[in-house]
Amino acid sequence: AQSVAQPEDQVNVAEGNPLTVKCTYSVSGNPYLFWYVQYPNRGLQFLLKYITGDNLVKGSYGFEAEFNKSQTSFHLKKPSALVSDSALYFCAVSVFSGGYNKLIFGAGTRLAVHP
Amino acid sequence: DVKVTQSSRYLVKRTGEKVFLECVQDMDHENMFWYRQDPGLGLRLIYFSYDVKMKEKGDIPEGYSVSREKKERFSLILESASTNQTSMYLCASSSPTGVRSEQYFGPGTRLTVT
Repeated sequence: AQSVAQPEDQVNVAEGNPLTVKCTYSVSGNPYLFWYVQYPNRGLQFLLKYITGDNLVKGSYGFEAEFNKSQTSFHLKKPSALVSDSALYFCAVSVFSGGYNKLIFGAGTRLAVHP
Repeated sequence: DVKVTQSSRYLVKRTGEKVFLECVQDMDHENMFWYRQDPGLGLRLIYFSYDVKMKEKGDIPEGYSVSREKKERFSLILESASTNQTSMYLCASSSPTGVRSEQYFGPGTRLTVT
């Protein structure tokens, strides 16, 4: 079955430190991978995506993600965390299933950045 | 910028009521989606639509129906609301470029069924 896993329910980071939010996937064929962020009481906002090419993808708000095919991972990273980065982060994979394209989401990881 | 709006941010309904959740997008997107979001479960696809008057079941369609009479509007209907439908409902839209397209989300409707 095609799926996305986010192994950590919560990640705690001190402001100024680097952060990593983990994501692994299981799909047949080429993976098309996405990261979204959800701030409190808001909808999801698109951060970045990997389609093909360079394994390091840069996105909004200083975030980047590294695609690793051998480890089937797509971890989200930022060199220096801000308190304002505290939010819920979702990894997703786009698949073609049942004749249609759709996104499969992970369960989400809550990022807490402490001053 | 793409704008996806939802008719209500918060909604409280009684068991057995018929509930309408409305979603409108302003970017002429062909594709529209309804998800529900529950803690620990991420987002689960309820229904989607790739064209006007077209609808397809997602992963959890039971207890829901949809309507798409105009391209910009996609409605989710709970025919007879139940307490297990208490959740956050998110609408999304995307352009028709297949698996490479990101989806744009509305702010969500938090529905409570009592």
